[in-house]
Amino acid sequence: EVQLVQSGTEVKKPGESLKISCKASGFTFSNYWIAWVRQMPGKGLEWMGIIYPGDSDTRYSPSFQGRITISADKSITTAYLQWRSLKASDTAIYYCARRGYGSAYDVWGQGTMVRVSS
Amino acid sequence: QSALTQPASVSASPGQSIAISCTGTSSDVGYVSWYQQHPGRVPKLMIYDVSYRPSGVSDRFFGSKSGNTASLTISGLQAEDEADYYCCSYRSTGTPYVFGTGTKVTVL
Repeated sequence: EVQLVQSGTEVKKPGESLKISCKASGFTFSNYWIAWVRQMPGKGLEWMGIIYPGDSDTRYSPSFQGRITISADKSITTAYLQWRSLKASDTAIYYCARRGYGSAYDVWGQGTMVRVSS
Repeated sequence: QSALTQPASVSASPGQSIAISCTGTSSDVGYVSWYQQHPGRVPKLMIYDVSYRPSGVSDRFFGSKSGNTASLTISGLQAEDEADYYCCSYRSTGTPYVFGTGTKVTVL
């Protein structure tokens, strides 16, 4: 079964660092772009960035560039999203998604809830 | 790069048809996909590359584009179609992707 399984809910304080994961299975991980999408509470979807695990080519949205790092480890078919210093405004659900059909995202992880509060 | 503009809400009775627009600048609206998201659920791909349906998606969902506006039409509206819908545009230069602002579809 093709799937992306994300790491669990995180509760952090402002200024802390965080790395969340997205484990792929059922397809050749290196051959597909994996994106990260943010959804703040009660709000819409925001595209954050994307990585091609085959060669680690990575692109970021200008809105997130410099605040996040996207990476991938082909050996364990896992993509990552990390922050060096969290803010309360980073509270959101974060989804990873596979670019599959054409230019679209056909497989989504279940989402990781990140809560940042003092 | 700003989000693509969608109407905040659209409503209709069961059996009717609705259209959701997705507007940006001419350079923003490229290969458009559409996603359905029920409350508390993961987004689901409904249309890719403007007008193609993934296998398993009902043929009541139809995608199109004219100029800098893409549209998702849902015909024969059903209660299960009540959800949020997002467009997303891909372009090969600049920032690759941008989502729309989202539209809440209500089945009256």
